[in-house]
Amino acid sequence: DAGVIQSPRHEVTEMGQEVTLRCKPISGHDYLFWYRQTMMRGLELLIYFNNNVPIDDSGMPEDRFSAKMPNASFSTLKIQPSEPRDSAVYFCASRSSGRDYGYTFGSGTRLTVV
Amino acid sequence: DAKTTQPTSMDCAEGRAANLPCNHSTISGNEYVYWYRQIHSQGPQYIIHGLKNNETNEMASLIITEDRKSSTLILPHATLRDTAVYYCIVTINSGTYKYIFGTGTRLKVLA
Repeated sequence: DAGVIQSPRHEVTEMGQEVTLRCKPISGHDYLFWYRQTMMRGLELLIYFNNNVPIDDSGMPEDRFSAKMPNASFSTLKIQPSEPRDSAVYFCASRSSGRDYGYTFGSGTRLTVV
Repeated sequence: DAKTTQPTSMDCAEGRAANLPCNHSTISGNEYVYWYRQIHSQGPQYIIHGLKNNETNEMASLIITEDRKSSTLILPHATLRDTAVYYCIVTINSGTYKYIFGTGTRLKVLA
């Protein structure tokens, strides 16, 4: 298995632009998580899905952020409009409720908003 | 989820055992202890987890005190590649599977 795949690895965008981050979880995993990491705030859980359904989005900072999981193999995190304070590394992770090996994280997307 | 307390940083000589402590004095009976590590610029990596018994796998050992209020992650023979931030997380093992990451311990393995 190729693991959790995130794209792009790096994204530089101008303030006000729409940004879409993508994640392909491990096949068979029924939970998907989006985290954001900054030096100031560490790793923050933004939202997670179970069987493609959003369960808890209380960590989403504001309405500019939205996440979808249209099927079991794909999820997106969208920021519209982007702001410089959104600059961070965004991680996607997945896990299986049936086997307990914890989360598998992707390599992350480093977002810079200028 | 129970809160955890870890030292901010630790050093360890290469080839020696690295013992990373974690306090979780408010842990509930159904909460597990998980350990992850994050090597610079990479996503966190699962290491090990346990409920109340000591656990060992190919990466590390986990020692949980009898009252479960603290635990220690042991890397038996630390290498330079073990330099990372190590996170101790306490969470239930069903339902949400939601992790709250703290600030972790920055382990530096010295040559």
